Amino acid sequence: GAVVSQHPSWVICKSGTSVKIECRSLDFQATTMFWYRQFPKQSLMLMATSNEGSKATYEQGVEKDKFLINHASLTLSTLTVTSAHPEDSSFYICSAPTGNSNQPQHFGDGTRLSIL
Amino acid sequence: EDKVVQSPLSLVVHEGDTVTLNCSYEVTNFRSLLWYKQEKKAPTFLFMLTSSGIEKKSGRLSSILDKKELFSILNITATQTGDSAVYLCAVSLTSGTYKYIFGTGTRLKVLA
Repeated sequence: GAVVSQHPSWVICKSGTSVKIECRSLDFQATTMFWYRQFPKQSLMLMATSNEGSKATYEQGVEKDKFLINHASLTLSTLTVTSAHPEDSSFYICSAPTGNSNQPQHFGDGTRLSIL
Repeated sequence: EDKVVQSPLSLVVHEGDTVTLNCSYEVTNFRSLLWYKQEKKAPTFLFMLTSSGIEKKSGRLSSILDKKELFSILNITATQTGDSAVYLCAVSLTSGTYKYIFGTGTRLKVLA
């Protein structure tokens, strides 16, 4: 079945560092991918929609200069958390629809980001 | 504003009990409702519901959608400790991309 791979699974870094997270669709093409953030004991909050070959669409309240999204190919989207601070520590998850509305989106395994 | 609400927020039961989790929604352009189970990593897909009144079943889990009353339930019978997880409800919209709106989640703990 369709698989989405997310890397890395865990990152610990110092405050002020920029961190890049990759999301790949392994056996299907994804013109759209989604990036979510999940704080402890909370639900998934959509951050942005990544669009292949064009600018990402950010949800209200999400800083586009802080969370840079690039979707340069049909199988890869990246999220870069720039100048990360402790409050950016969270669980980040990507998902990709297969293009068939009768099928569910496929989620990556998530990235746990800890900023010291 | 599109909204998905789940209840209860948390639940503690004993093995063998039956539980019912609720999901209500208020959205424009409804396409489908999905249930996911989340343990330590990303959500695992359970069911996708698009039509009212048709029960979907997988082992001890079942789910049904009521598009008139705008809600869905997820039933788990004969619960096991391995059912302990957060259960997420999401609604997919017809407009634009395949965006999901997630509910708050129900945290289920099953005691041995």
